Amino acid sequence: DSGVTQTPKHLITATGQRVTLRCSPRSGDLSVYWYQQSLDQGLQFLIQYYNGEERAKGNILERFSAQQFPDLHSELNLSSLELGDSALYFCASSVRWDGGSEQYFGPGTRLTVT
Amino acid sequence: KNEVEQSPQNLTAQEGEFITINCSYSVGISALHWLQQHPGGGIVSLFMLSSGKKKHGRLIATINIQEKHSSLHITASHPRDSAVYICAARHQGAQKLVFGQGTRLTINP
Repeated sequence: DSGVTQTPKHLITATGQRVTLRCSPRSGDLSVYWYQQSLDQGLQFLIQYYNGEERAKGNILERFSAQQFPDLHSELNLSSLELGDSALYFCASSVRWDGGSEQYFGPGTRLTVT
Repeated sequence: KNEVEQSPQNLTAQEGEFITINCSYSVGISALHWLQQHPGGGIVSLFMLSSGKKKHGRLIATINIQEKHSSLHITASHPRDSAVYICAARHQGAQKLVFGQGTRLTINP
């Protein structure tokens, strides 16, 4: 158990819908990263927050957004969903903001868009 | 060409064999991560290294910065080592990780 929690574990929704994925980091970790793992693209970095502020952005679509709240949990919002958004979404947390510490991964949320 | 390349893509071996998975990267990095993804999907961070060698139990990771190459070794492999192993490079001056495509390892009893 990494100490990082993600909810829900599974999500099935229809095209065009909007969903919210939630992540709670390990106790004491201020940095949260979001990743997408699809069959054709592998693991890709989406976005990073540190202590409530966005720190780095990767291949995140404009239809996707994220935020980190004062209690340090983070949410990833996916809207106007398409079939191609079906993937495993992981969050990870770390102590440092600069990537210089280990990242601890949550169990992931499996999103299926039908 | 991907920034991070792993080889082999698939590896099947017998229990007890010595396993090597290779990772090459094309850009300057500040650290390289090795991750293990179990069949159920969960990801575990195995190593983060920026130079030399690290060992944890039967797992050893090495990195050669000049050659832009890292290896993950498993000694006395066991069926429970069956998983996908992923290397990820962190660019210098950046926070994000760039991932290899993974190596699917199967250890037969």
